[in-house]
Amino acid sequence: DAGVTQSPTHLIKTRGQHVTLRCSPISGHKSVSWYQQVLGQGPQFIFQYYEKEERGRGNFPDRFSARQFPNYSSELNVNALLLGDSALYLCASSLVGEGNTIYFGEGSWLTVV
Amino acid sequence: GDSVTQMEGPVTLSEEAFLTINCTYTATGYPSLFWYVQYPGEGLQLLLKATKADDKGSNKGFEATYRKETTSFHLEKGSVQVSDSAVYFCAVVDNDMRFGAGTRLTVKP
Repeated sequence: DAGVTQSPTHLIKTRGQHVTLRCSPISGHKSVSWYQQVLGQGPQFIFQYYEKEERGRGNFPDRFSARQFPNYSSELNVNALLLGDSALYLCASSLVGEGNTIYFGEGSWLTVV
Repeated sequence: GDSVTQMEGPVTLSEEAFLTINCTYTATGYPSLFWYVQYPGEGLQLLLKATKADDKGSNKGFEATYRKETTSFHLEKGSVQVSDSAVYFCAVVDNDMRFGAGTRLTVKP
């Protein structure tokens, strides 16, 4: 079975631009969450979606938004990119009832120049 | 809110040495605890987990015991290998998942 898949794997954007990152969860998983991992640090929680509704939000500015589609895939959008947004963006999915275990994708490396 | 404090790295060991990476947490409820491993250039892989007090998670020779009285979940391995070189993250899940800063382990032959 396919794991969590993310696209694109790498991308370079200019300050002020907008970016959309995409994620497909493991088949059967209805919960998707997004994390930002800055180089040398642990992942920081951005959003969680379950059954297409936002269930949690981390301490990130309104420039960050996300949504979940009827097929449970998800998009993370970041507007007005800053240099500090350069990071690995990780998507994770989980199966409700499996002890809160989440499974990560390989991530999307975003570089803002 | 919930938080995780991990032993600072980097940690450098010789092959077959004993490994301990300390992890303590704060949480308001009854969280689940996890260790994830990240190899260079990759995403995070689940290493082991424990969902209630006194549970022991184990995988690939690694172990960690959920100690509610000391709010700890220390990672141990009796004999490390070069292939264990990676960054290890402790995480707590209550309402959402919080990660420690990570501990880089390098194992030398």
